[in-house]
Amino acid sequence: EVQLVESGGGLVQPGKSLRLSCAASGFNFDDYAMHWVRQAPGKGLEWVSGINWDSSDIAYADSVMGRFTISRDNAKQSLFLQMNNLRPEDTAFYYCAKDISVFGVLASIEFWGQGSLVTVSS
Amino acid sequence: IVMSQTPLSLSVTPGQPASISCKSSQTLLRSDGKSYLNWYLQRPGQPPQLLIHEASKRFSGVPDRFSGSGSGTDFTLKISRVEAEDVGVYYCMQSIQLFTFGGGTKVEIK
Repeated sequence: EVQLVESGGGLVQPGKSLRLSCAASGFNFDDYAMHWVRQAPGKGLEWVSGINWDSSDIAYADSVMGRFTISRDNAKQSLFLQMNNLRPEDTAFYYCAKDISVFGVLASIEFWGQGSLVTVSS
Repeated sequence: IVMSQTPLSLSVTPGQPASISCKSSQTLLRSDGKSYLNWYLQRPGQPPQLLIHEASKRFSGVPDRFSGSGSGTDFTLKISRVEAEDVGVYYCMQSIQLFTFGGGTKVEIK
């Protein structure tokens, strides 16, 4: 059974940093690209970032480019999102998500974790 | 790419059909003949779950009352007979140029 468990969310002041983690299990982690998608409370979905199987292809939404960094550790079956210079508008549930492609490329989003809430407020 | 969904909300009697439209600002049709459009359902308090990918392919375990159609820039999700468990917000998402979601359509039961 595929499982994605996010951690690291919480309350942080504007301008500060936070690192999200996602522990994956139930599938061959290093065969798949992974994503972060966020959802402000009561709002719609926004793709944040994606990383292919070997970290050679990484993409970001314009809204987080230069502030957020996605990474992965295949040996530990883990995905990360380093978030710097956080803004109030970054407040959201952050979902870790598994790509649908078995070729490890950024293709489409198949399975989502339960999410971790990040609140940016003074 | 901008994704637009209509209607914003839908109230449906159980057993009746429902239809949601999604339009993209650019074609989602690639040279391989596939349209890169997914549909997701987010039930209250839950993460989204994949229903349809590549415009019309039902994902594993999805009931056959859900169907997707369309190509290019115009797409439709149809539920042939709505059930109580279909309540939630439906999102379309394009994956031909990174990833963009529609604003969502809230489905409730009458």
